[in-house]
Amino acid sequence: AQSVTQLGSHVSVSEGALVLLRCNYSSSVPPYLFWYVQYPNQGLQLLLKYTTGATLVKGINGFEAEFKKSETSFHLTKPSAHMSDAAEYFCAVSGKTSYDKVIFGPGTSLSVIP
Amino acid sequence: EAGVTQSPTHLIKTRGQQATLRCSPISGHTSVYWYQQALGLGLQFLLWYDEGEERNRGNFPPRFSGRQFPNYSSELNVNALELEDSALYLCASSLFLAGGDTQYFGPGTRLTVL
Repeated sequence: AQSVTQLGSHVSVSEGALVLLRCNYSSSVPPYLFWYVQYPNQGLQLLLKYTTGATLVKGINGFEAEFKKSETSFHLTKPSAHMSDAAEYFCAVSGKTSYDKVIFGPGTSLSVIP
Repeated sequence: EAGVTQSPTHLIKTRGQQATLRCSPISGHTSVYWYQQALGLGLQFLLWYDEGEERNRGNFPPRFSGRQFPNYSSELNVNALELEDSALYLCASSLFLAGGDTQYFGPGTRLTVL
């Protein structure tokens, strides 16, 4: 069975500092991987996804993530945090067959300190 | 292009009652997903409908049920409400039936069970 863990339920960074949100997955085969963001009182929005090909994936708002198969990781980074990045971030995984559901991690709440 | 819409925004019920939540997917999307986001529990997959059929189901009791209509809109029914059913219920839609598809989320319905 697939699963996702996110290290740190809450992360605080200073404005302008590096953002690093960690995600590790468990899957018997290389899965599809996603990062979603949820701003307060809103639904989720896709930041980026890895399906195949290049392991470094660039997303919206300056975020990127690297798929590392050997480490079963898909950590999310952004070089310089903005106040507007404060939100809840969810890593997710799904298999590659037609009826595989998406499994979401527990989420990491990012705070940006001015 | 209109996004995923959900109604009502808020719903207050008492224990034992039934709740009906509605979702309209993005035009052209055939897959609709339902998730429960309870405080501290992250997103839990509930149901997945595509072309009117239930394609996958999460680990929830049978009192959670739903359906998808010919116009691809969907409703989620929760019978015999319990206090722990209080949560944000998110609906998402996608274009294709495959694990790697991006899911587009609605703003959610906040269900409160008293």
